[in-house]
Amino acid sequence: KAGVTQTPRYLIKTRGQQVTLSCSPISGHRSVSWYQQTPGQGLQFLFEYFSETQRNKGNFPGRFSGRQFSNSRSEMNVSTLELGDSALYLCASRTDNYGYTFGSGTRLTVV
Amino acid sequence: GESVGLHLPTLSVQEGDNSIINCAYSNSASDYFIWYKQESGKGPQFIIDIRSNMDKRQGQRVTVLLNKTVKHLSLQIAATQPGDSAVYFCAETFGGATNKLIFGTGTLLAVQP
Repeated sequence: KAGVTQTPRYLIKTRGQQVTLSCSPISGHRSVSWYQQTPGQGLQFLFEYFSETQRNKGNFPGRFSGRQFSNSRSEMNVSTLELGDSALYLCASRTDNYGYTFGSGTRLTVV
Repeated sequence: GESVGLHLPTLSVQEGDNSIINCAYSNSASDYFIWYKQESGKGPQFIIDIRSNMDKRQGQRVTVLLNKTVKHLSLQIAATQPGDSAVYFCAETFGGATNKLIFGTGTLLAVQP
């Protein structure tokens, strides 16, 4: 059974640009969550999608957005990138019970 | 690989010793707790979980203890191996369909051969 797949693994963007990250959940998992991990702030919740609807959102500015498709795949978008957006972005999927499984993340560097 | 955190609390143990990693959680309403292991360049990997109606749960070489009175969680690793070297995070959440994980700051476990 394939795990959570995130693409790309690494990304370098310039300040002011926008970026789209992709996450393919484990087959059968309908919930997808996104987290940002930085050395200073640790792991912080961005948002969760379930059946194409955003169910929960963390305390991030509106530049951070996401969506989920009918096949449960999810994308997150960050517009007008800032240096502080450099981070490891992690996606986690689960069934509607508790068991979160994380992908390996996308390492975003903003220069 | 990338560093997952700087200035993390560090626990250094000898190979073969037992390790105990502690975590203070924040929300008294939290009813589900998970320990994750994160190796350099990888995402968090599930180790063991526990619900709030339990105070102890055992897995293979790992035990989680929950003390709700003082909002404390611990992870015990028996016979620690070099492959256990990683950053360990506790995470808490509370019931409902929109639950999210709230992570602790992490502890770096360094196993000396």
